[in-house]
Amino acid sequence: EPEVTQTPSHQVTQMGQEVILRCVPISNHLYFYWYRQILGQKVEFLVSFYNNEISEKSEIFDDQFSVERPDGSNFTLKIRSTKLEDSAMYFCASSGQGAQETQYFGPGTRLLVL
Amino acid sequence: SQQGEEDPQALSIQEGENATMNCSYKTSINNLQWYRQNSGRGLVHLILIRSNEREKHSGRLRVTLDTSKKSSSLLITASRAADTASYFCATGQAGTALIFGKGTTLSVSS
Repeated sequence: EPEVTQTPSHQVTQMGQEVILRCVPISNHLYFYWYRQILGQKVEFLVSFYNNEISEKSEIFDDQFSVERPDGSNFTLKIRSTKLEDSAMYFCASSGQGAQETQYFGPGTRLLVL
Repeated sequence: SQQGEEDPQALSIQEGENATMNCSYKTSINNLQWYRQNSGRGLVHLILIRSNEREKHSGRLRVTLDTSKKSSSLLITASRAADTASYFCATGQAGTALIFGKGTTLSVSS
């Protein structure tokens, strides 16, 4: 069964450094998403992406964040200058025909900012 | 903003018993999705129920939706130790974002 994959599974970085989190969505899906979950808290929506542009973004998704689909398979989240409070599990998700369909989540990347 | 909130926060049962988790939300929705998360792992999709549906089944899972009360329930029948996990409801409105609740932590002991 097709799955969303994410790399790396864990990332440790120093405050102020740039990180890129990578995702490979399910191959025939058209909508891509990033969510995050701070330890012990709710899963929070960051951004959605369709047709090579951002469809929707939350207040969390400020100028420090960017997303890109650099080729036909990868979907990336970049954090330009990490802060301690960026430490969280970051989930990528994809859906076939839109947000009104099932969103399938990847296993997550655990980011720790020191 | 709309918000899914699960109840109870934690539930402990014996294997073979049924587990019921509830989710309430505040605004109109297009769909409601239930997810499972094992400790520190990814989110596994369980069921999607649309706003014009009242009940859906998948194996041992039964989900109901009452849009007049803005609530949903997830029933797991004949629970197993492997069902031990956190369960989240997530609501979808007109946009693309899913709004998650805080989750119910289910513990099934053998």
